[in-house]
Amino acid sequence: KAGVTQTPRYLIKTRGQQVTLSCSPISGHRSVSWYQQTPGQGLQFLFEYFSETQRNKGNFPGRFSGRQFSNSRSEMNVSTLELGDSALYLCASSLEATGQAEAFFGQGTRLTVV
Amino acid sequence: GESVGLHLPTLSVQEGDNSIINCAYSNSASDYFIWYKQESGKGPQFIIDIRSNMDKRQGQRVTVLLNKTVKHLSLQIAATQPGDSAVYFCAENLGGAQKLVFGQGTRLTINP
Repeated sequence: KAGVTQTPRYLIKTRGQQVTLSCSPISGHRSVSWYQQTPGQGLQFLFEYFSETQRNKGNFPGRFSGRQFSNSRSEMNVSTLELGDSALYLCASSLEATGQAEAFFGQGTRLTVV
Repeated sequence: GESVGLHLPTLSVQEGDNSIINCAYSNSASDYFIWYKQESGKGPQFIIDIRSNMDKRQGQRVTVLLNKTVKHLSLQIAATQPGDSAVYFCAENLGGAQKLVFGQGTRLTINP
């Protein structure tokens, strides 16, 4: 079956702009999590959605937001982009939201802020 | 606090040898641990997981050991192959939701 699909794969944006990233989970998976990966901070949890509800949020400013649709697809939005937002943004989907279910990652969206 | 650390940032091994990658975690309440492999330009790929009620789990060429007494996790890769070259991350899940805390990663290099 198809894996986690993230679009677009690459993005270049200017400081101050906003961006929306998309994630389509594996069919049947209802939990979607987002992570930011940078060389300095590594992989950091952004937020997690299950059945259209945000269940957990990491330590990121309010400029980072997300949502999940009824078909489990998820989007994350970053407003007023800063240079430090340049990163690989990864989405992971899981069949369950119990915390003990395998999470499958997509290829990520590489965001560059100039 | 919420942190998962790795003992070594890089590890070089000869092809065919066994590799051992270590990880220390700080939260004794963590109940689920995962090892991921990330190749350049790709997202993390699940390797193996282990729950806190176990101390060892084996997969194909990989074994994960969990020592809850010293809060230590290790990944053993048998007969290392060139395709094993990647960055390996340990991760722990805190609580009942999908919220992984990752270590900084260990880059495994295979020498021919």
